[in-house]
Amino acid sequence: QLQLQESGSRLLRPSDTLSLTCTVSGGSINTVDFSWSWIRQPPGKGLEWIGYIFYSGADYYNPSLQTRVTMSVDRSGSKNRFFLEMTSVTAADTAMYYCARSIGPTVTTRFDPWGQGILVTVSS
Amino acid sequence: QPALTQPASVSGSPGQSITISCNGSSSDVGSFNLVSWYQQHPGKVPKLIIYDVYQRPSGISSRLSGSKSGNSASLTISRLQADDEADYFCCAYAGSATLGLLFGGGTKLTVL
Repeated sequence: QLQLQESGSRLLRPSDTLSLTCTVSGGSINTVDFSWSWIRQPPGKGLEWIGYIFYSGADYYNPSLQTRVTMSVDRSGSKNRFFLEMTSVTAADTAMYYCARSIGPTVTTRFDPWGQGILVTVSS
Repeated sequence: QPALTQPASVSGSPGQSITISCNGSSSDVGSFNLVSWYQQHPGKVPKLIIYDVYQRPSGISSRLSGSKSGNSASLTISRLQADDEADYFCCAYAGSATLGLLFGGGTKLTVL
C-alpha cells in the first residue's frame, strides 16, 4: 500500500525558503501513470493546490505561486522522494502542507493517497 | 476568494439526503469532466470520495454520488449517517495546465 510522508522545516522566518521532502514507500515514483503533488491548507481554511511534477521532470504550478515555487524529483537511485521549495515566505504561507499522488498520466484532480501533512509556521 | 463556490454549510438529519453544490465557470467545471470531491474529518487528512465527476474510488459507499450540470457540479449523500459529518471540498481542472487546479472553499456538513 502506497504511503507518503512529509518532512522538512516547520518554523520559518519571513523571507526564508521553505523546503519540504515527501518520501514515498510501498511503490515507485518512477512511473508514467502518476504525478506527485503538493497541496496546502492554512489553519481553519480550505485547500490550495500548489503544483505537481512527473518523474520525467515536467512540472505544473499554481499560477499564483509559480514565481516562488519549485518542485523536483530525486532520481538518485532508490530514494523515492520528491521535493518542494518555496522562496520568500510570509505569514500567509503558514499552512499544513500535504504531499499526494496524482492519479493519471496527464492533468488530474484525483489525489490519492495523501501524506499526513506537515504544519509549517512562518513567524518573526 | 476561491474560484469554485460552495455553500459554507449544509445540514441534514440521519437518513435524509443532502446535496452540496460546486459552482464554477465555463472555463473549468463547464468544460471538463475533471471534478473531484474530498471529505475531511476534523484534524484528519482529506480523502478522495468522487473523481471524474461521478466515479467512486474503491471502498467508497454508493450513498455518495457526483454529478454535473453546466458550470456546476454536485455531491449528493443519501441516507445520512453521523460519520458523514465533515468538511467537503470540490476540485476542478481550470482549463489548461498553466491555469492549474482549483479547490472550492469547502462545505461543513452537519448531521443533526
